[in-house]
Amino acid sequence: NAGVTQTPKFRVLKTGQSMTLLCAQDMNHEYMYWYRQDPGMGLRLIHYSVGEGTTAKGEVPDGYNVSRLKKQNFLLGLESAAPSQTSVYFCASSDRDSLREQFFGPGTRLTVL
Amino acid sequence: GQQVMQIPQYQHVQEGEDFTTYCNSSTTLSNIQWYKQRPGGHPVFLIQLVKSGEVKKQKRLTFQFGEAKKNSSLHITATQTTDVGTYFCAGRGYGQNFVFGPGTRLSVLP
Repeated sequence: NAGVTQTPKFRVLKTGQSMTLLCAQDMNHEYMYWYRQDPGMGLRLIHYSVGEGTTAKGEVPDGYNVSRLKKQNFLLGLESAAPSQTSVYFCASSDRDSLREQFFGPGTRLTVL
Repeated sequence: GQQVMQIPQYQHVQEGEDFTTYCNSSTTLSNIQWYKQRPGGHPVFLIQLVKSGEVKKQKRLTFQFGEAKKNSSLHITATQTTDVGTYFCAGRGYGQNFVFGPGTRLSVLP
């Protein structure tokens, strides 16, 4: 099993450009999450999904959109990138049981110039 | 909204010394998780605590959940160079999502 994979690993954008980050998991997990990690701020939840076809806003959703068309995939979109969105983005998935252990992908390092 | 704080932000120890990081939530938690992130890596789940006053051990690591379920600690006995990384707590309020603390970065000098 690959676990949680993320594409791409690195990306450099110019202000105003758009892009989509892809997250895929092969553990049949119901829940999926997108976080951003900035120095000294830990992981902040952007959007999450509790099942195929559902999405919800997290702590810092502005400037991002998501879609969960298939259970195994969770896409994060930036419609018009801004320098403030320079960050490391982590996708995670978890089962719906009480443990809710989150399995993280390797991350995508995004720089917006 | 719920806030989760961790202290210290950084800790430098000599190999063999003990290490403790503390996690405090602004609200009562239903459960708390701990994760470790190695430099350049991704967070990896360590443990979950659910009960008030709960204590769990994993080899040299001891995790505690406070009686009021608003704080937690991670203690590492006799640190090794393999313990290097950032330790995050993630607290979950009742019916809420997990909120991560800012982490404690541990460096171990050989």
